[in-house]
Amino acid sequence: EDQVTQSPEALRLQEGESSSLNCSYTVSGLRGLFWYRQDPGKGPEFLFTLYSAGEEKEKERLKATLTKKESFLHITAPKPEDSATYLCAVQGSSGGYQKVTFGIGTKLQVIP
Amino acid sequence: DGGITQSPKYLFRKEGQNVTLSCEQNLNHDAMYWYRQDPGQGLRLIYYSQIVNDFQKGDIAEGYSVSREKKESFPLTVTSAQKNPTAFYLCASSLGQSSGNTIYFGEGSWLTVV
Repeated sequence: EDQVTQSPEALRLQEGESSSLNCSYTVSGLRGLFWYRQDPGKGPEFLFTLYSAGEEKEKERLKATLTKKESFLHITAPKPEDSATYLCAVQGSSGGYQKVTFGIGTKLQVIP
Repeated sequence: DGGITQSPKYLFRKEGQNVTLSCEQNLNHDAMYWYRQDPGQGLRLIYYSQIVNDFQKGDIAEGYSVSREKKESFPLTVTSAQKNPTAFYLCASSLGQSSGNTIYFGEGSWLTVV
């Protein structure tokens, strides 16, 4: 069974204080690892899809990286508007296209 | 703009009532999904559909029903058989690819039992 574990559960940063969120996963044949941002009371917003170890993607202050066992979401010089819950999900080769397993998320708070 | 529209945003259900959540997408995606989100738990799949007039149960389908009469629409009915329906419901869509199946979400609907 595919599993996703995100850490920490919550993270509080000062504005400008860079950090990383972790997503550890177990999957039989990775077909995609996804990062989302979710604001309170709203649906998740897609950020990145990573396919293979060594791959990196960037968007503004966010950079996602992937190894064979985990993914990191690096946040550089965060701003208060980066405060949200960040979700990680994986799609493995067992099961069909619909088999995407989500983590519980990391709740990030950036303080001015 | 392309996207997924869910309605209503807030819904209240009395005991014994069925309620229907609406979901429409204009992304021309083949696959559509309904997820449930509860505090402290990851998203759980209720139902999914790849083509019109065909849909499959997800991990927690009991007490729910769906229909897919149009490619763009995938309404979810929460029946009285669902014993704990209070939750945040998310409709989603994707191309339905076997690899890199990026799923896009609507804004969500809050259902509360009163």
